Amino acid sequence: NAGVTQTPKFQVLKTGQSMTLQCAQDMNHEYMSWYRQDPGMGLRLIHYSVGAGITDQGEVPNGYNVSRSTTEDFPLRLLSAAPSQTSVYFCATNGQPMNTEAFFGQGTRLTVV
Amino acid sequence: SQELEQSPQSLIVQEGKNLTINCTSSKTLYGLYWYKQKYGEGLIFLMMLQKGGEEKSHEKITAKLDEKKQQSSLHITASQPSHAGTYLCGADFSWGKLQFGAGTQVVVTP
Repeated sequence: NAGVTQTPKFQVLKTGQSMTLQCAQDMNHEYMSWYRQDPGMGLRLIHYSVGAGITDQGEVPNGYNVSRSTTEDFPLRLLSAAPSQTSVYFCATNGQPMNTEAFFGQGTRLTVV
Repeated sequence: SQELEQSPQSLIVQEGKNLTINCTSSKTLYGLYWYKQKYGEGLIFLMMLQKGGEEKSHEKITAKLDEKKQQSSLHITASQPSHAGTYLCGADFSWGKLQFGAGTQVVVTP
């Protein structure tokens, strides 16, 4: 049982490049989220999804796109990377918000130069 | 999240001493989570609180949610080096929207 799998673990991008961070879960959870973590700022919510076909913006959505075509996958797209997007990105899933814990992937460390 | 305030931002505690971290919101918290993170690693789930006045303990860590469900505290008794790390509180402000505080960095000295 893999849980929540994020790929890649590390990535270096040049300014203006695009890329997709992958998040896959095998727990059949409806709820999935993307966060970024910067020093001293905890986890900030980028986008979240309450089910396949449904996404919504979090606290810091600018510069990021998401889609949810299946229950299992929730990719995060950077269309034109900027140095301000250098961060550690975490994907999370939850089967029953407000009732059960959220499960996190191991993170993707992204550097934009 | 600005909706969740954690205090202190950081603290240094001598091994064997107790410590307390606070998490406060201006809104009612429907689910309050505590996670721990070692530097450069993922998040480890500690506890979840749902009901006003609820208190949970695991080993030397105790978490409480006040009656109004707007403030939670995490208390560590007789701290050990293994308690070092960053502690994060998180809350569901609406269905499926889990947000976190800025975290509290804990350093345990000999």
